[in-house]
Amino acid sequence: DIQLTQSPSFLSASVGDRVTITCRASQGIGTYLAWYQQKPGKAPNLLIYAASTLQHGVPSRFSGGGSGTEFTLTISSLQPEDFATYYCQQLNRYPFTFGGGTKVEI
Amino acid sequence: QVQLQQWGAGLLKPSETLSLTCAFSGGPFSDYFWNWVRQPPGKGLEWIGEIDPRRGTSYNPSLGSRVTMSLDTSKSHFSLELSSVTAADTAVYYCAARYYDILIVHSLDVWGQGTTVTVSS
Repeated sequence: DIQLTQSPSFLSASVGDRVTITCRASQGIGTYLAWYQQKPGKAPNLLIYAASTLQHGVPSRFSGGGSGTEFTLTISSLQPEDFATYYCQQLNRYPFTFGGGTKVEI
Repeated sequence: QVQLQQWGAGLLKPSETLSLTCAFSGGPFSDYFWNWVRQPPGKGLEWIGEIDPRRGTSYNPSLGSRVTMSLDTSKSHFSLELSSVTAADTAVYYCAARYYDILIVHSLDVWGQGTTVTVSS
């Protein structure tokens, strides 16, 4: 199975901060990577697919980058509604796997 | 607007079979891959499996032979069965879908509301 390692696991930040989360794959996955945001008690919400393509309706302060084994999710200016947990997922090969998550807190 | 609505039993005893169903609406059923994802209390997301209507099913090997996913195209439904459940299967279970596109690998952009399943004697 392809393992995804997210860092950091927890991130303390303030409104207006620029935040970057990293996702590392145990083997190359091209750009078959997605990022999701999850708030407590809610289903995950797709932010980015194909490593860098912004899902319709997602604010432009979110951006994704990378290819191969290292990927990033960047929030250019953190807003109050962005405090949540973020997950990466690889869709290069079955079984699809998720990273362990990054909780963004105040 | 495409959406998923899921339902199923929320309380099971050990060794019973978990059974959940998800109904799709708002688009062509044949245009999607169908997935199940679960999340144990306080933990991260775990992919359970996917149905590709064109090629068949793929399951997470960690669940062994306990998992079965199926489609009912006449009703635009898809289902999950997980046999011989234990307390370790206690989780919120989500159905999810991703669009089929021969040029782009899409991700899970449509999600059900989640069903909390508790396994307890």
